[in-house]
Amino acid sequence: GENVEQHPSTLSVQEGDSAVIKCTYSDSASNYFPWYKQELGKRPQLIIDIRSNVGEKKDQRIAVTLNKTAKHFSLHITETQPEDSAVYFCAASRRGGADGLTFGKGTHLIIQP
Amino acid sequence: GAGVSQSPSNKVTEKGKDVELRCDPISGHTALYWYRQRLGQGLEFLIYFQGNSAPDKSGLPSDRFSAERTGESVSTLTIQRTQQEDSAVYLCASSSAYTEAFFGQGTRLTVV
Repeated sequence: GENVEQHPSTLSVQEGDSAVIKCTYSDSASNYFPWYKQELGKRPQLIIDIRSNVGEKKDQRIAVTLNKTAKHFSLHITETQPEDSAVYFCAASRRGGADGLTFGKGTHLIIQP
Repeated sequence: GAGVSQSPSNKVTEKGKDVELRCDPISGHTALYWYRQRLGQGLEFLIYFQGNSAPDKSGLPSDRFSAERTGESVSTLTIQRTQQEDSAVYLCASSSAYTEAFFGQGTRLTVV
């Protein structure tokens, strides 16, 4: 089955700086890569996703890049703000396939004022 | 319903008792997942249902844990003879083949 590794487990950045979280996956057939944000005491919610026919996707201050050859994808947050503090999870799946969604272990992002 | 609904939202039980957690997925979602999240930890996969296929039970931590789903509707996660280490938030999520996974608000289980 799919195995997703996520790094770092904790990331502390100064407000206004950029943050990068990286994930690798093992199943070359995976073609859907969502990122979820979980604020303290709340449920995880999708913030951005990318499919394997796209190398990069942006949504305001958030971007995700995908390298299918190397089987890794990354989340980039620019101009970080206090409300970006949360736990971020990456995931991988074969969209439309029988397999489920495999999550990384999460990154606790701390924005220092 | 508008989203994934879980009940109860909180459950306190005595060690050794059985508990049953319920998940109502979004209508039409064929996939349903159960995850366990201990305090400050990541999402621990428990079980995955996809349509009428045999569920992927590879994440269930022991034979005290079981889950059922009838067709593409409600799922129940049962924990027998609860132990203190079972204390966690149990999250359910559902998706269709072409949508993101939506999470419920979770059930916070405390075993005393």
